[in-house]
Amino acid sequence: EVQLVESGGGLVQPGGSLRLSCAASGFTFSNYGMNWVRQAPGKGLEWVSHISGSGSPIFYADSVKGRFTISRDNAKNSLYLQMNSLRDEDTALYYCARGTIDYWGPGTLVTVSS
Amino acid sequence: QAGLTQPPSVSKGLRQTATLTCTGNNNNVGNQGAVWLQQHQGHPPKLLSYRNNNRPSGISERFSASRSGNTASLTITGLQPEDEADYYCSAWDSNLSAWLFGGGTKLTVL
Repeated sequence: EVQLVESGGGLVQPGGSLRLSCAASGFTFSNYGMNWVRQAPGKGLEWVSHISGSGSPIFYADSVKGRFTISRDNAKNSLYLQMNSLRDEDTALYYCARGTIDYWGPGTLVTVSS
Repeated sequence: QAGLTQPPSVSKGLRQTATLTCTGNNNNVGNQGAVWLQQHQGHPPKLLSYRNNNRPSGISERFSASRSGNTASLTITGLQPEDEADYYCSAWDSNLSAWLFGGGTKLTVL
């Protein structure tokens, strides 16, 4: 059974940093690209970033380019999102989603507030 | 990165048929096809259909997807109370190298 579990969310001040993790199981992790998708409270889904199974290529949404960094460790079946220079508008539930967004984790909440 | 276009809301009666639409362009829906997701309040999205009309195992045959040009559609037959949810379409944009999402359609079953 495919499982994705995010962690690392929390409350952070504007300008601060946070690192999210996603633990994957139930499939051959290195064979799949992975994505981060976020959802602000009461709003729709917004794609954040994609990383291929090998780690390259990597793509970012314009809204996070230069501030967020996606990475993965295939030996640990884990996906990461390093978020720097956080803004109020980054407040959202952050989901990791497999490849063609066929499986999603339950999400981890990031709140940016002073 | 502009998104895909979905109507904000659709309302239909119990046991009726609802058709939700999603419009993109030649670089996304018209090229790669659309993915359809269902999201109930407080839950993560769930895949209903990929590449236009392929249903994952466990998804009811009442859900069917199609595409005509740059517009994808999701048809839900025999509406049930549990179908009341938000529905999102998504497609990979080959020009932007990005996943695009529609704004979501809130389906109300009367």
